[in-house]
Amino acid sequence: DAMVIQNPRYQVTQFGKPVTLSCSQTLNHNVMYWYQQKSSQAPKLLFHYYDKDFNNEADTPDNFQSRRPNTSFCFLDIRSPGLGDAAMYLCATSEGQGGPTDTQYFGPGTRLTVL
Amino acid sequence: AQKVTQAQTEISVVEKEDVTLDCVYETRDTTYYLFWYKQPPSGELVFLIRRNSFDEQNEISGRYSWNFQKSTSSFNFTITASQVVDSAVYFCALSEAGFKTIFGAGTRLFVKA
Repeated sequence: DAMVIQNPRYQVTQFGKPVTLSCSQTLNHNVMYWYQQKSSQAPKLLFHYYDKDFNNEADTPDNFQSRRPNTSFCFLDIRSPGLGDAAMYLCATSEGQGGPTDTQYFGPGTRLTVL
Repeated sequence: AQKVTQAQTEISVVEKEDVTLDCVYETRDTTYYLFWYKQPPSGELVFLIRRNSFDEQNEISGRYSWNFQKSTSSFNFTITASQVVDSAVYFCALSEAGFKTIFGAGTRLFVKA
């Protein structure tokens, strides 16, 4: 089945140790998104790619970076994780141009723990 | 500015009861889209419905129904004859021109057997 896959599902890292989360999709969608969802809160958009064009949200900390080497893969890099970065990280995709009509399809998320 | 309010933090019902999840939104755009997503304990957000601002027709899909009223800026979601498998967090979301989708804080629904 076509889907959005996130690896790993659970990631533990140490304070300040760089970590990379992975997302892949078999939907061949143009747009890929990364959201941060803290406990009992709504998902918060960090950034998205429309094809190779990167769009960063104004309030996304510089500590968070992303790479999209091809259509299928997108990575979230946290350069120096702090305790406040512990959260569920959700990857999503949408087809089209990512406008308001787009329906987003989400992966299962990666739960990041920072020790 | 965009805003989505889900005033109900948690709702607990007994199986077979009907339950309505409220969603109130704010926007200055005339063209916008509203969504409902379900997030079960596994964590994945599952798309349920999309509605554009020009279509106020209510929709029914099995046990799910949605009531969109522009006059009150509400897009409420009703589950009829709830089941234990409906237990999840439900998010209402709003999207205007541009990429960003704003999610409400979510309503956690507990359905007890």
